[in-house]
Amino acid sequence: RKEVEQDPGPFNVPEGATVAFNCTYSNSASQSFFWYRQDCRKEPKLLMSVYSSGNEDGRFTAQLNRASQYISLLIRDSKLSDSATYLCVVNQIQGAQKLVFGQGTRLTINP
Amino acid sequence: NAGVTQTPKFQVLKTGQSMTLQCAQDMNHEYMSWYRQDPGMGLRLIHYSVGAGITDQGEVPNGYNVSRSTTEDFPLRLLSAAPSQTSVYFCASSLQGGKGGYTFGSGTRLTVV
Repeated sequence: RKEVEQDPGPFNVPEGATVAFNCTYSNSASQSFFWYRQDCRKEPKLLMSVYSSGNEDGRFTAQLNRASQYISLLIRDSKLSDSATYLCVVNQIQGAQKLVFGQGTRLTINP
Repeated sequence: NAGVTQTPKFQVLKTGQSMTLQCAQDMNHEYMSWYRQDPGMGLRLIHYSVGAGITDQGEVPNGYNVSRSTTEDFPLRLLSAAPSQTSVYFCASSLQGGKGGYTFGSGTRLTVV
């Protein structure tokens, strides 16, 4: 079983739609959580950190449920520029600090 | 501009050749790491370092060496390139514990023929 699992998609949705991504992680010692965005042939860039209390940044809302080891990302009123691959990322610092990546979910927003 | 700088951006090697991928950061980050990204596999950790003089293996270390003689630099060495090492390589750095997230370099696209 992969340490971080997410639906690989692809997701194709019309502009203006609401999109939800889900992710689960297996290591309960995981310390912090992130969503990264990766455009084609580019490096991953931090979209937002994810906190247990939930957090919002404009059209983006992230949630963390430590009990069920589940992370989500909601994108409201999607724009063409939101087309990218979204990576669920878990930061582990027990024993050895490392980032563990999900395989990414490809999103295409259609006009 | 502050950040993580990787060189070269592209490289083609013949099987058996050696090369070093360079990574430098100017954010005084203690932690530096190398990942490879292959289609359908996501990013996988090759080696990492928590500070100058300290390195350790990640998930896929075979065929790669690293060293960390300064806080700023973390080169990745391929001693004898193999076609299986064809991939996109990313260097990433962060403060200790990953506070504030990780910053990635723009990547090195390596092809081994």
